[in-house]
Amino acid sequence: ETGVTQTPRHLVMGMTNKKSLKCEQHLGHNAMYWYKQSAKKPLELMFVYSLEERVENNSVPSRFSPECPNSSHLFLHLHTLQPEDSALYLCASSQDLGREQYFGPGTRLTVT
Amino acid sequence: GESVGLHLPTLSVQEGDNSIINCAYSNSASDYFIWYKQESGKGPQFIIDIRSNMDKRQGQRVTVLLNKTVKHLSLQIAATQPGDSAVYFCAERESRSSYKLIFGSGTRLLVRP
Repeated sequence: ETGVTQTPRHLVMGMTNKKSLKCEQHLGHNAMYWYKQSAKKPLELMFVYSLEERVENNSVPSRFSPECPNSSHLFLHLHTLQPEDSALYLCASSQDLGREQYFGPGTRLTVT
Repeated sequence: GESVGLHLPTLSVQEGDNSIINCAYSNSASDYFIWYKQESGKGPQFIIDIRSNMDKRQGQRVTVLLNKTVKHLSLQIAATQPGDSAVYFCAERESRSSYKLIFGSGTRLLVRP
């Protein structure tokens, strides 16, 4: 195991639902990341936090809202998603920005 | 724009043979490279990394080679095992001052018994 956990592992939600993805890292890292992984596409960086401060908001639609209450936890709040948002959402952490990143198992999201 | 790419989407090898997975990058300022392995249903797993001031780095059964002249990165797996079957990604850090990793599309490695 990498020391990064994500819940839930699978999520099916309607376009009008509100849900949240949770990530927790047990590595004592200072930086955390959200990525989107779609079929046959490279990993897309969504958000980056360093010491609980957001340092990257990579042109992500406002229906995705991140939250980092402390250096060990990261949330991704979801609201009025579209079917094309269906993907694997991966959380990662690194000791500091720019260091190697360790990934969680991901949340498989399906928007119906 | 700058990108990381992979030459082959799928590589099939016989168990026990050596595997070589290739990656081309275009950003000459990239200073740090990582190989990840992603098995079905799991997140990417860190395998090995290399900095741009090195040409070669070895791990357990894996070797990464970096050729900055032609902007090429490769991952060599010795004595490939069924458990090596996965998708392999290379990633590059844009520059020494950047924290962003740019990922390639991945190569699927299939190990034949």
